[in-house]
Amino acid sequence: DAGVIQSPRHEVTEMGQEVTLRCKPISGHNSLFWYRQTMMRGLELLIYFNNNVPIDDSGMPEDRFSAKMPNASFSTLKIQPSEPRDSAVYFCASSPQGTQYFGPGTRLLVL
Amino acid sequence: KNQVEQSPQSLIILEGKNCTLQCNYTVSPFSNLRWYKQDTGRGPVSLTIMTFSENTKSNGRYTATLDADTKQSSLHITASQLSDSASYICVVTSGGGYNKLIFGAGTRLAVHP
Repeated sequence: DAGVIQSPRHEVTEMGQEVTLRCKPISGHNSLFWYRQTMMRGLELLIYFNNNVPIDDSGMPEDRFSAKMPNASFSTLKIQPSEPRDSAVYFCASSPQGTQYFGPGTRLLVL
Repeated sequence: KNQVEQSPQSLIILEGKNCTLQCNYTVSPFSNLRWYKQDTGRGPVSLTIMTFSENTKSNGRYTATLDADTKQSSLHITASQLSDSASYICVVTSGGGYNKLIFGAGTRLAVHP
């Protein structure tokens, strides 16, 4: 198995632009998580899905952030409009139950 | 307030030496505690996961302990290698309806030759 796949690996954009991050979880895993990591705040859970249904989105910073999981093999995290303070590494993780397997992350820089 | 505190913040040791990282938590209700290793530029990788009833769990040269009474956990690394240089993150899951993950800030370990 290729593990959790995220794209793009790096994204540089200008303030105000829309950013879409993509994640393909490990096949057969029924939970999917989106995290954000910065030096200042460490790892933060943004949202997680169970069987494609959003269970807890209390970590989503504000209305500019939205996440979808249209099917078991794909999820997106969208930021619109993006702001410089959104610059971070965004991780997607999937889990069958228990241990989470993290993707390589998307490094986002908003100028 | 649910919190996970790790110490030390950073640590430098010589190759071959042992070290112990600490994690104290105030999380209720408690579901489980995990230790992750995160290499620079990569996503975290799970090392161990322990539930309330487990006191110790090993994964190769990594041994985690859990004292649920004092709400403390430690991660002991034996005979350190250069490849152990990474951040080690303690994560406590709170099982309250549906699980919530509370992350520690991590300990950054550097192993020098």
